[in-house]
Amino acid sequence: GNSVTQMEGPVTLSEEAFLTINCTYTATGYPSLFWYVQYPGEGLQLLLKATKADDKGSNKGFEATYRKETTSFHLEKGSVQVSDSAVYFCAITNSGGYQKVTFGTGTKLQVIP
Amino acid sequence: DAMVIQNPRYQVTQFGKPVTLSCSQTLNHNVMYWYQQKSSQAPKLLFHYYDKDFNNEADTPDNFQSRRPNTSFCFLDIRSPGLGDAAMYLCATSRDRGIEKLFFGSGTQLSVL
Repeated sequence: GNSVTQMEGPVTLSEEAFLTINCTYTATGYPSLFWYVQYPGEGLQLLLKATKADDKGSNKGFEATYRKETTSFHLEKGSVQVSDSAVYFCAITNSGGYQKVTFGTGTKLQVIP
Repeated sequence: DAMVIQNPRYQVTQFGKPVTLSCSQTLNHNVMYWYQQKSSQAPKLLFHYYDKDFNNEADTPDNFQSRRPNTSFCFLDIRSPGLGDAAMYLCATSRDRGIEKLFFGSGTQLSVL
């Protein structure tokens, strides 16, 4: 079955630092890839997605590129803010039929002023 | 504005005492999901309803049941909670199968004493 591996956290950065959170996946076929974010006390919410190879998803200054050759979907942001402190989940869906979402374990990001 | 609402936010039960968690949605989505999330682990899908059609994951213990009396509400019943069932339980919805964006509630943190 599908699986997702994320870098372990927590990740602590100073404000305006560059962020990378690594995500690699194992899947058959052509899955769609996602990043979800969970702010303290809230539910998960979709941050960005990409549905085919070489697609770049972007939102709120975050970007991730679907790399089929390296089976990766790393999350990046050029300049993080304190308000970006949250847990970030990489996720994939299986291709075709009922699209079950498989999540990674999450990476906690803490941004300090 | 809350679209997927879970109550209560925190639930404490005793070992072996049945407990019910509730979820409601104002999105009129066809699909409702229940995920279990233990500390530092990925959210794990327990089951989902596609309209009234119940779909259990193969590895979900029999101790976990679900009911969906109407489009808006879905319940998670744990018949005889064990200490290992202590976790965050997340309810999510999607407009349809094959629609990858999930909308999550804030979760119910279950403690078993």
